Amino acid sequence: LAKTTQPISMDSYEGQEVNITCSHNNIATNDYITWYQQFPSQGPRFIIQGYKTKVTNEVASLFIPADRKSGTLSLPRVSLSDTAVYYCLVVGDNQGGKLIFGQGTELSVKP
Amino acid sequence: NAGVTQTPKFQVLKTGQSMTLQCAQDMNHNSMYWYRQDPGMGLRLIYYSASEGTTDKGEVPNGYNVSRLNKREFSLRLESAAPSQTSVYFCASSDNQPQHFGDGTRLSIL
Repeated sequence: LAKTTQPISMDSYEGQEVNITCSHNNIATNDYITWYQQFPSQGPRFIIQGYKTKVTNEVASLFIPADRKSGTLSLPRVSLSDTAVYYCLVVGDNQGGKLIFGQGTELSVKP
Repeated sequence: NAGVTQTPKFQVLKTGQSMTLQCAQDMNHNSMYWYRQDPGMGLRLIYYSASEGTTDKGEVPNGYNVSRLNKREFSLRLESAAPSQTSVYFCASSDNQPQHFGDGTRLSIL
């Protein structure tokens, strides 16, 4: 199972765009890059998943370069409520659904 | 819809006591998972059940047992609680991806 590396913490201000990049030591052909968000006292919540190039939904965008060795989560115009821990995971069809969580990135959004 | 429901939300145990954490999902998912999360760390997989009637070990299974009672319910049992098992326990369910998580059980063992 591929492990990921991402910054431990980031600070931002309301209204800014935040980009969190994670890198992978070993991503397989059938693996996807997935991001989860976790608020205090809650379980993680799925944000976005992608295989290559760019994926966008109502919450975020995910940019994956051609070599797929990294993935950048982009949060447009963050608000205080985006303060949370963000986890990048590499998920594959042959993992039996198992997820390997790293430490995540603790994002703090200030007014 | 409730999604994934965990009970209890909080529990304090003494060392050596036994305890079963309950998890139920109403999304008709085949797979269910138990994780633990220690302060400042990501979640670690304890056990999972790919389908009703099957269970497998995850990263940190020692000291725990599980039961997939039916498609909806997946319980985690601590037979003899130890202080090292003080943690927040999360249950999740899915059909492939993504996983849907409950809000956790905070367990303290004195």
